Amino acid sequence: DIQMTQSPSTLSASVGDRVTITCRASQNISTWLAWYQQKPGKAPELLIYRASSLKSGVPSRFSGSGSGTEFTLTISSLQPDDFATYYCQQYNSYSRTFGQGTKVEIK
Amino acid sequence: EVQLVESGGGLVQPGGSLRLSCAASGFIFSSYEMNWVRQAPGKGLEWLSYISFSGRTRYYADSVTGRFTISRDNAKNSMYLQMSSLRAEDTAIYYCARDQEGSYDYWGQGTQVTVSS
Repeated sequence: DIQMTQSPSTLSASVGDRVTITCRASQNISTWLAWYQQKPGKAPELLIYRASSLKSGVPSRFSGSGSGTEFTLTISSLQPDDFATYYCQQYNSYSRTFGQGTKVEIK
Repeated sequence: EVQLVESGGGLVQPGGSLRLSCAASGFIFSSYEMNWVRQAPGKGLEWLSYISFSGRTRYYADSVTGRFTISRDNAKNSMYLQMSSLRAEDTAIYYCARDQEGSYDYWGQGTQVTVSS
């Protein structure tokens, strides 16, 4: 199975900060990568697909980049609604693995 | 409006069985592949199973292979997860998710499964 490793596991930031989360794949997954946001007690929500395509309705402060084995999710200016846990997911293979998650906390 | 509603969760003893359902509305169900994903208490997301449009192709995570069976009924706009030989480590919230070319663009609210004696 393809392993997905996110860093950091926890991130403390302030409103207005630029935030970057990294996701590394154990093998080449091209751009078959998605990013999700999950708030406590809620289902995950898709933010980014194909590594850099923004889902309709998602604020433009979210962006994704990368290909191959290294990917990033960037929030250009952190908003109060963005404090949540973020997961990457690869879909290069039928066994679709998630990263362990990155919790974005208020500093 | 796309809606996915899971049901069928509950408390079950170790070794027992449970059948989860996912009722879909607001889109042409037969045109989408579907998945089950779970989240153990305080843990991350774990993909469990995939089913193709027709139901002919199915994939499973190693952790549930041989114990869980995914199925769908396009006439009823529903997907199912038959779970057997349940273990304490299967305790989790179970989500169904619509597959949009590999990423999951819509999720249900989840149903809680607790395996305990």
